[in-house]
Order: sequence, then C-alpha cells, then structure tokens
Amino acid sequence: QSALTQPASVSGSPGQSITISCAGTSTDVGYSNHVSWYQQHPGKLPRVVIYDVTNRPSGVSDRFSGSKSGNTASLTITGLQAEDEADYYCKSYMVTKTYVFGTGTKVTVL
Amino acid sequence: QIQLMQSGTEVQRPGASVRVSCKASGNPFSSFFIHWVRQAPGQGLEWIGAINPNTGTTRVAQNLQDRLTFPRDMSTSTIYMEMSSLRPDDTAVYSCALEPSGTYFLHHWGQGALVTVSS
Repeated sequence: QSALTQPASVSGSPGQSITISCAGTSTDVGYSNHVSWYQQHPGKLPRVVIYDVTNRPSGVSDRFSGSKSGNTASLTITGLQAEDEADYYCKSYMVTKTYVFGTGTKVTVL
Repeated sequence: QIQLMQSGTEVQRPGASVRVSCKASGNPFSSFFIHWVRQAPGQGLEWIGAINPNTGTTRVAQNLQDRLTFPRDMSTSTIYMEMSSLRPDDTAVYSCALEPSGTYFLHHWGQGALVTVSS
C-alpha cells in the first residue's frame, strides 16, 4: 500500500486560509469516507483534527474543515494562526480493511 | 481517563526480534482497536497494524505481514507489538494508539518507544 500523496509544504500568513490536499486511489480515499487528519507539533504526539472526512472532534477549532472529491481529500485551515504551524497527515481506511497515512505536509505560518 | 503506557527504548541487531508493550488503563477494552504507528527519524507516520484486544482480530500492513504479530495479555490489559527479522530501516519510534469502536480514527496515543536496529 503506497502512502497517500500530500504536498511537502504549505505556507500562509496569519489570518489567511490554506488547503492541504491528500491524493489517493479508488481503493483508499475514493473507497472510504473514513478519512481523518492529524496534526503533529515537533516532538509531540499526533492529535486528530478531522475524522470521517468532515467531522471535528470536540475541542478542535472550527477553523479546521475537511472535504473530499473523488480520490482526493482536503484539509482547510482558515484564519491561520501561529499555533497551526505543524505537520499534518491524512489517513484513510482501505478496501483491504487496513489503513494508510499520507506523506505529510509541513505548514509554515509566515 | 484512558491512558496508554509503552515500554522503553530498544536496541537490536539486524535479524533479531523486538517486542514493544502497550499497557492500557482506564478500562478501554470494551470494543476498541489498538493500532500501531511508526515514525522513522525525520520521516512521516506509517500505519503498521491493529488488533481488537477482545476478539484477537488483527489487521497488518501488507509490507509487514510476514514479520509482525500482536500478542496480548488480557489479564494485564497489555498489547504487544512483535517484529521479527529486523532491518536497519525498521529504526523508528513505535507508538500504540486507541480507536474507539467504530470511529475509524485514533483518539488516544501512547508515548512511543524508540527501536534502533544497528549492528
């Protein structure tokens, strides 16, 4: 199972919006609505910010939103803040009942 | 409050096996999956497998199916990740994480255990 494809880096100024893409295939992102997104600050454990494509766990800012079209999922962060600077990973359930992570995206707040 | 506590750092030779433990507290075993994720130094997250502690059902990444198992000790609420035939590129932090039943995402994480494979 190959990793889902994400851009290596995305940057934006405070207050701006950014979108991170997560490209897969018909056997993972295209197959399943169980796509989640994880935020990982350096040296810290990952935490989920979006699950099931569009849902936010309690405690996660509503500046985070998710979507999916075909084999590509996306994470959008609006009103970018310094604390959003981190690595972000998508993860998808697969037709084989296993999971696969994306390659990861480093978000930089300029 | 659910907590996952993992064993410590391991250093192994190529070709050896390693066992990393993940002890759960807070009574999490009423319908959960325990997942294992690894992260090589400076690299991204890689999902390697999962087990339902109650049923023993396992899921393993295709590239590790012949080297990875998940023994469990229900008396101590401990799940193990056991990897054989270790190679230098297996060097990584191995983390366990808990998926609340039917939610398909990882909600609680262990602190991670560094496994170094070197001759």
